[in-house]
Amino acid sequence: DGGITQSPKYLFRKEGQNVTLSCEQNLNHDAMYWYRQDPGQGLRLIYYSQIVNDFQKGDIAEGYSVSREKKESFPLTVTSAQKNPTAFYLCASSIARQGLQGYTFGSGTRLTVV
Amino acid sequence: GQNIDQPTEMTATEGAIVQINCTYQTSGFNGLFWYQQHAGEAPTFLSYNVLDGLEEKGRFSSFLSRSKGYSYLLLKELQMKDSASYLCALRVDSSASKIIFGSGTRLSIRP
Repeated sequence: DGGITQSPKYLFRKEGQNVTLSCEQNLNHDAMYWYRQDPGQGLRLIYYSQIVNDFQKGDIAEGYSVSREKKESFPLTVTSAQKNPTAFYLCASSIARQGLQGYTFGSGTRLTVV
Repeated sequence: GQNIDQPTEMTATEGAIVQINCTYQTSGFNGLFWYQQHAGEAPTFLSYNVLDGLEEKGRFSSFLSRSKGYSYLLLKELQMKDSASYLCALRVDSSASKIIFGSGTRLSIRP
């Protein structure tokens, strides 16, 4: 079955460390996205990519980096420059010119700084 | 820029009807989405409106008025499993596929 997979489900990071969150999709979607969600809040866009080897900053890109070397994969690195990284991170994908279905979301990664 | 407003919380009774409103301001508009999100889970797609009017899908309906910058999600015959957050979201640019989300409305259903 096609879908979008995020790993790990839970991640703990020590202060000063970089961590990378994985996002893989086998839906043949062109576009992929990373959102951050804080408790009781909506989703805020970190980065998005509409084609391989190209990506754009979203509203809160500072302290994060991404790559898009393959259509199926869009990993997110949370760097030590991100001062408040504890949050729920959601990856999504869509066809390039999305129709009625909007996004397909992964199940999320909950990152905690310890 | 864009701005999306929704009530933070609502409460309703099992079997009843509830309407969740969403107002928005945006320089570009290419569709409005509603998503459902249960606590700790990913959002799931409910509806998409790009033209004015009502779209009905089972117990859920969504309405859009582009001139008023207004949408609502109507849930009928409420069930306990409808307790969740409901996110209003905009696609603002026809050349890009990104969606901007509101903060969501947390709906609690009481027996």
